[in-house]
Amino acid sequence: GESVGLHLPTLSVQEGDNSIINCAYSNSASDYFIWYKQESGKGPQFIIDIRSNMDKRQGQRVTVLLNKTVKHLSLQIAATQPGDSAVYFCAENRDTGGFKTIFGAGTRLFVKA
Amino acid sequence: NAGVTQTPKFQVLKTGQSMTLQCAQDMNHNSMYWYRQDPGMGLRLIYYSASEGTTDKGEVPNGYNVSRLNKREFSLRLESAAPSQTSVYFCASSEAGRAQHFGDGTRLSIL
Repeated sequence: GESVGLHLPTLSVQEGDNSIINCAYSNSASDYFIWYKQESGKGPQFIIDIRSNMDKRQGQRVTVLLNKTVKHLSLQIAATQPGDSAVYFCAENRDTGGFKTIFGAGTRLFVKA
Repeated sequence: NAGVTQTPKFQVLKTGQSMTLQCAQDMNHNSMYWYRQDPGMGLRLIYYSASEGTTDKGEVPNGYNVSRLNKREFSLRLESAAPSQTSVYFCASSEAGRAQHFGDGTRLSIL
């Protein structure tokens, strides 16, 4: 069925390395994608978004890549820091005539000092 | 700017008790949402309100009711709490077609 999911439930990286978190989606009609970061005891925090008319978008130390051919979304974090340790969610917006946003289950990122 | 504020932060209830979770946003967003988050699972939508005066069911509405009191406030009510409703509840708000902004959650335990 239609879903938004993540390839890896956990990811462990060394401080200073780059991190890549992946997400797959199945609905080609989705037109807006969002990455959230959730720290322990907090609500999800918006990181970066991308619309379907773009392939890449950059923020501060983060880049989102969208590959519509294979329905794949990724979040790249440059020079990963201990403060980046959190759960990362992708979210997919699709126009179903009703509520639109579907969240993935999340990937936990551990940053080793 | 407070963003989305949820109260209370923690609550313990006995089975059968009722409770209202409060949510307020100061970003002048039209849309507001209630989610629950359970271990190992993504956010699941309970109810949402696309605009003041409207509410709609989400994925898991059974056992809950909502009230969109005004543009700022959207409350979630458990009429007769059950242990299966033990969860972390998040409120969010957004403009249509834009990313949602979340509160820090209410951690609810039902014994």
